[in-house]
Amino acid sequence: LAKTTQPISMDSYEGQEVNITCSHNNIATNDYITWYQQFPSQGPRFIIQGYKTKVTNEVASLFIPADRKSSTLSLPRVSLSDTAVYYCLVAGPNDYKLSFGAGTTVTVRA
Amino acid sequence: DTAVSQTPKYLVTQMGNDKSIKCEQNLGHDTMYWYKQDSKKFLKIMFSYNNKELIINETVPNRFSPKSPDKAHLNLHINSLELGDSAVYFCASSQSTLGEQYFGPGTRLTVT
Repeated sequence: LAKTTQPISMDSYEGQEVNITCSHNNIATNDYITWYQQFPSQGPRFIIQGYKTKVTNEVASLFIPADRKSSTLSLPRVSLSDTAVYYCLVAGPNDYKLSFGAGTTVTVRA
Repeated sequence: DTAVSQTPKYLVTQMGNDKSIKCEQNLGHDTMYWYKQDSKKFLKIMFSYNNKELIINETVPNRFSPKSPDKAHLNLHINSLELGDSAVYFCASSQSTLGEQYFGPGTRLTVT
């Protein structure tokens, strides 16, 4: 299991772009990178998943450099409702030793 | 319809008691998980079940035991509860370890 490191917290303002970088130096060839979002008193929710280069969906983009030792979740034009904890998870097929760590607390201010 | 449900949502009990938390998923997923989230927001895997077989068992006390009567259910039994067991417990399911995990709403356990 590739251990991940994320910043503990980040502050932003409404309308700005938020970029959260996750380090995973020991990522294995078969590992994928997945990001989850968690609001207070709720379970985590899937945001985006990628293997390499760039992935984009309706809520976020995921940038993965060629060496795959890190990844960056990009949240465009955040709003107050994007205030949450964001977790980076690296895992491969049949990799059941999953651990989300402490995540990054993103606080969006008006 | 709720994809992953847990009961109860809140559980307050005294040290030494035995309690259970139920989890059900209606997504037809093959794998279910139990996580523990402490006050510092660390989300740690406790157990996972794949097709009714225990896949992993992290370093959790044997007071905790998962029970899976069928593929759609994974219940968590806790014996001789301790103060340190106080946390939020999440159940989740996925089609595979690479797939999106769907989490339940969580059960806040408070041991007094």
